[in-house]
Amino acid sequence: QVRLVESGGGVVQPGKSLRLSCVASGFSFNYYEMHWVRQAPGKGPEWVALISSDGSMKLYRDSVKGRFTVTRDNGRNAVFLQMDNLRQDDMAVYYCARRGNDYYLDHWGQGALITVSS
Amino acid sequence: QSVMTQPPSVSGAPGQRVTISCTGSSSDLGAGYDVHWYQHLPGTAPKLLIYSNDVRASGVPDRFAASKSGSSASLVITALQADDEGDYYCQSHDPSLSVVFGGGTKLTVL
Repeated sequence: QVRLVESGGGVVQPGKSLRLSCVASGFSFNYYEMHWVRQAPGKGPEWVALISSDGSMKLYRDSVKGRFTVTRDNGRNAVFLQMDNLRQDDMAVYYCARRGNDYYLDHWGQGALITVSS
Repeated sequence: QSVMTQPPSVSGAPGQRVTISCTGSSSDLGAGYDVHWYQHLPGTAPKLLIYSNDVRASGVPDRFAASKSGSSASLVITALQADDEGDYYCQSHDPSLSVVFGGGTKLTVL
């Protein structure tokens, strides 16, 4: 079955960096566009970034452009989110998710918690 | 970069029917993009419930149904069960943002 497992979350000081990983299994990873979505406490989900199946196209929400970088390694069935210059408003649970045939996300990981605190 | 509008909470007794609304804008639902619904139960990963306006995802019981009209959409849950309690989110596409979500609705089963 499809499985997505995030790792790399933790506590980080404002201005510092963190790298999230998401390892996929149970499907042909190299055929799928992958997304990162975050959810801050008490708020709805917020789309963060996407990367195309071959890694050639990347999109970001405005508030993370220039600070976050999404990459993937199809040989390792993994997608990554490098987060630099972290701010308090980046604090959230970060989920990786697989895009289905339309603009929906048909499988999600359990999430990785990022806490930004001095 | 908009957020679609959902009621913060709905509630119903076991066996009853509840409706969760989702209002979009001219850049997402109103532009003709489909709506999708997710269920997020405590301690679990978000789960795709309904996609492409009204198609139930694999394994989702027919107690869950959804529809879309213009810039609005709704999710109806019938024969409410205790383990339906959780958060429900609508989602669509916005060309400027790729994926846009509703603010979420907390369903309480009384």
